[in-house]
Amino acid sequence: GESVGLHLPTLSVQEGDNSIINCAYSNSASDYFIWYKQESGKGPQFIIDIRSNMDKRQGQRVTVLLNKTVKHLSLQIAATQPGDSAVYFCAESHNDYKLSFGAGTTVTVRA
Amino acid sequence: DTAVSQTPKYLVTQMGNDKSIKCEQNLGHDTMYWYKQDSKKFLKIMFSYNNKELIINETVPNRFSPKSPDKAHLNLHINSLELGDSAVYFCASSQLGAEQETQYFGPGTRLLVL
Repeated sequence: GESVGLHLPTLSVQEGDNSIINCAYSNSASDYFIWYKQESGKGPQFIIDIRSNMDKRQGQRVTVLLNKTVKHLSLQIAATQPGDSAVYFCAESHNDYKLSFGAGTTVTVRA
Repeated sequence: DTAVSQTPKYLVTQMGNDKSIKCEQNLGHDTMYWYKQDSKKFLKIMFSYNNKELIINETVPNRFSPKSPDKAHLNLHINSLELGDSAVYFCASSQLGAEQETQYFGPGTRLLVL
């Protein structure tokens, strides 16, 4: 079975609100986690990553949280904008090059 | 300026045909990948090459044959195409051993087998 999954396949959020996208993983040996954004008709685009020796990492308007105890990963997007509408994937790796992807969460931003 | 490029972007073909998809990266990376994305958007690794050597070969029919002529190119040849091969195929690249082993994806090749 798949080692990574997302709790919800879709998320609808009001423009300006914060978004939280969740992801669960099952491989306790995973040591690298990454979030991708895929807009319609395009390839996945890197957003942010985190290693297992950290529990939080911040980027521009995005924060990734890692809870190794419960094997949970989340992506927080601050002040969600229409351009944030996309499918978001989490992925994990335990050998530095083989990524296993979750099923994806489709985020729709309401104006 | 495109970092990872793929050709063609769209490919429509008949069952039983043989086709190739090409990928090139100008990032100087040493590792390249092929992924398949199905209609439910699920992304699955197919192959990976590091310095022209195969390092990942998932359970993929042997009708699929990757070829890496050099570090910057990874092509995918598919023989005897089947309806189930219809999907979006993404190429990606990364630099192993770097502090950040982020994989960068190409724009995808949309394959439709009729």
